[in-house]
Amino acid sequence: GESVGLHLPTLSVQEGDNSIINCAYSNSASDYFIWYKQESGKGPQFIIDIRSNMDKRQGQRVTVLLNKTVKHLSLQIAATQPGDSAVYFCAENMGSQGNLIFGKGTKLSVKP
Amino acid sequence: DVKVTQSSRYLVKRTGEKVFLECVQDMDHENMFWYRQDPGLGLRLIYFSYDVKMKEKGDIPEGYSVSREKKERFSLILESASTNQTSMYLCASSLPQGRMYEQYFGPGTRLTVT
Repeated sequence: GESVGLHLPTLSVQEGDNSIINCAYSNSASDYFIWYKQESGKGPQFIIDIRSNMDKRQGQRVTVLLNKTVKHLSLQIAATQPGDSAVYFCAENMGSQGNLIFGKGTKLSVKP
Repeated sequence: DVKVTQSSRYLVKRTGEKVFLECVQDMDHENMFWYRQDPGLGLRLIYFSYDVKMKEKGDIPEGYSVSREKKERFSLILESASTNQTSMYLCASSLPQGRMYEQYFGPGTRLTVT
């Protein structure tokens, strides 16, 4: 079946640098694309979403880009901080009850 | 502050045992979900419920059942635990409309079946 996947399983960045986490998806009919952050020992936490009719959305220090032509989603984190160290999951909304299909995750490590 | 709680953080059970994982949310959410999380596989949906006494199969329902007798509580049941059910189990809830894809997760239960 169709699924959401990631290009890189791990990413290491220097504190203060910008981070870019990538995700590929395969279902053109998804309504929303979402990024979740999971810190060690905790459940995933919602970060930001983007609707399928948009190509960019900005939050606080985070930006999500959607390229429907190549079915690509990215999360950009500005001025990465040690507290950003976590596993990041992309997900797509498939159903009317909010069902999500998650990617496999990218582990972000921030070096001081 | 919104909260989803799970009955245990760590659980060790023997093969063949019946296992109950409990999840409670205090946000009056209609939707509740059970996932399992395994390294390299991400989160996979086991079951979900969009109302009391309602349930729907997710992607990997085999070997599991669920119960939703009250709006705030969603239970995952392993009828006869097997070693391949050793995993991290995550419960989540969300609103039924609007931002229903914004799911709130509990801290997870790490289940080991020996």
